[in-house]
This record gives sequence, structure tokens and C-alpha cells, in this order.
Amino acid sequence: QVQLVESGGGLVQPGRSLRLSCAASGFTFSTYAFHWVRQAPGRGLEWITVISNDGTNKFYAASVKGRFTISRDNSKKTLYLQMNSLRVEDTAVYYCARGTTVLPIYWGQGALVTVSS
Amino acid sequence: DIQMTQSPSSLSASVGDTITITCRASQNISRWLAWYQQKPEKAPKSLIYVASSLQSGVPLRFSGSGSGTDFTLTISSLQPEDFATYYCQQYNSYPLTFGGGTKVEIK
Repeated sequence: QVQLVESGGGLVQPGRSLRLSCAASGFTFSTYAFHWVRQAPGRGLEWITVISNDGTNKFYAASVKGRFTISRDNSKKTLYLQMNSLRVEDTAVYYCARGTTVLPIYWGQGALVTVSS
Repeated sequence: DIQMTQSPSSLSASVGDTITITCRASQNISRWLAWYQQKPEKAPKSLIYVASSLQSGVPLRFSGSGSGTDFTLTISSLQPEDFATYYCQQYNSYPLTFGGGTKVEIK
């Protein structure tokens, strides 16, 4: 069955970096685009980035552009989110989601990132 | 950026009721609209795409309509498992944007 498992979350100080991973199984990873969507505690959903199936196209929300980088390794069936210069307002549950380049369809269970001193 | 506004932000309903949630886009998005359901402490689940097409496995009591700037999600004969928060999302252009959510609670 389709599985997306995020990892790499945790507590980090402001200004530091963290890398999230999303390990996929149960489907052909290289045929799908992937998104990262986050949800701050008690808040709504915020789309932050997408990567095309072959990794050539990437788009970012203004709130993370220049600080976050999405990437993928199709041979490892893994999606990544490199987060640099983290801010307190980046605190959220981060979901990876499989879909098209414009539509997140199947979501992982999420990874909590807490940015605090 | 396209702003998505949902109303109401919350509503109370009983099992068996029919409810309607509205989503308005700040500009014309044709039919590039999706709906998601999220239960507490769970990941969102995709319900509807292209405004009115149901994702596989979604019960027929869920329906979507609209085009341009105004859209609705209707749930007929509300079931206990339908109590959740619902989000709309436009995918006409980047950045993809979500509505603020509508929490459906048990009356």
C-alpha cells in the first residue's frame, strides 16, 4: 500500500538548519510530483513547495524562498526538505504529499518541527 | 497571490443533516479547486478536485460545485465520521493557497 513516512523533525534553535525526509513505498516514486505543506499549531494549511517528478521544476512560497530547498532522490524513493535560517514562525507540522505539480493528493502523517531557543 | 476565503469558519450540525461550506477566491480560478478533510491530529485527506470530481473512495454524500470565484462543498446526510475540518485549495496558479478552514462540529 502507499506509504509516505516523514522523519527528521525535532527541536531546533532559531537560525539553525534541519533536513526533513519523506520515505515513499508502495508505488512508483519517480512518476509523481511531491509537495511539502505545513500547519502551525492550531492553524490552517500552508503550501510551501513542490517538485516535479524528475526534479527539474520547483516552486516555493514566498515565506520560505531562499531559505528552504526541496529535492528528491528517485533511486532512494525519498523526498527532502532542507530548511536553513529557521525562524520561530517556521514551527509547524510538515507534511509531504504525493500528487501532481499543482495538487497534493496523498499525504504523509507529518513531522513536527519546533523552532525555539 | 490568490486569497481563498471560507465561510463559515465553524458550524454545528447533527447526524443526518445536510451542510454547505462556501469558498471564495479573490480572482477567477476557473474550476481549479480542491477540497480536503482533516480530522484532529491526522493528515488531510483529498476529497474533491476540479471543483466537483470525487477522489476514489470518497462517499457520494460529498459533492462540490462552482466555478470562477465561488464554490461550495455539500455533505448530505452527515455521518459521525464527517465531523472534521474542511479546507479548500486553489491550484490555478502558484503559490497554491488554502482557505482558512471550516470546522464541522456535532450539535
